[in-house]
Amino acid sequence: EAGVTQFPSHSVIEKGQTVTLRCDPISGHDNLYWYRRVMGKEIKFLLHFVKESKQDESGMPNNRFLAERTGGTYSTLKVQPAELEDSGVYFCASSQESRASYEQYFGPGTRLTVT
Amino acid sequence: AQSVAQPEDQVNVAEGNPLTVKCTYSVSGNPYLFWYVQYPNRGLQFLLKYITGDNLVKGSYGFEAEFNKSQTSFHLKKPSALVSDSALYFCAVRDPNTGGFKTIFGAGTRLFVKA
Repeated sequence: EAGVTQFPSHSVIEKGQTVTLRCDPISGHDNLYWYRRVMGKEIKFLLHFVKESKQDESGMPNNRFLAERTGGTYSTLKVQPAELEDSGVYFCASSQESRASYEQYFGPGTRLTVT
Repeated sequence: AQSVAQPEDQVNVAEGNPLTVKCTYSVSGNPYLFWYVQYPNRGLQFLLKYITGDNLVKGSYGFEAEFNKSQTSFHLKKPSALVSDSALYFCAVRDPNTGGFKTIFGAGTRLFVKA
């Protein structure tokens, strides 16, 4: 079974540019999550999809961030325009069951550096 | 507000000795508690969880954790450390009553096992 994959693994962009991160969850997993970890800090929840619907986007920092999950399969997270404080590692995770007791499966992350 | 604290940035232990990685949480009600491990250039990997029942839970690679409601702690333990256990460990909590699927992570503790 293929795991959660993320693309790209690294991205370096200049302030003001746009970047789109992609996440492919494990096949059949309806639940998809985005998280961000700023250097040395805790991993922060950004949002949660169930299929193509946003269930909870309370962690999204501001309207420069846009997440989509068209068709309920892969998801993209766009940052436009990027700011210096957006730098960090963005993790995607998925889970099969819509129950809070279930663990999540994480991708390797995308390291975003905004210069 | 919900929070997770991992008071130690790094834990050093000699191979063969027991290890403990500490975690305390602040969540109302009965939380769901998780431990994840991250190896270099990999995504977070689920180790174990406490949902209900026996306070001592056992997980992958010989790890176990004890839920202590009165101390609001969920410390990760292993009787005999291996060099291969060296990694970054994250404690996480979900509040099934209020937080839905939102997972709160600690800042992580780096475990270094010396041969």
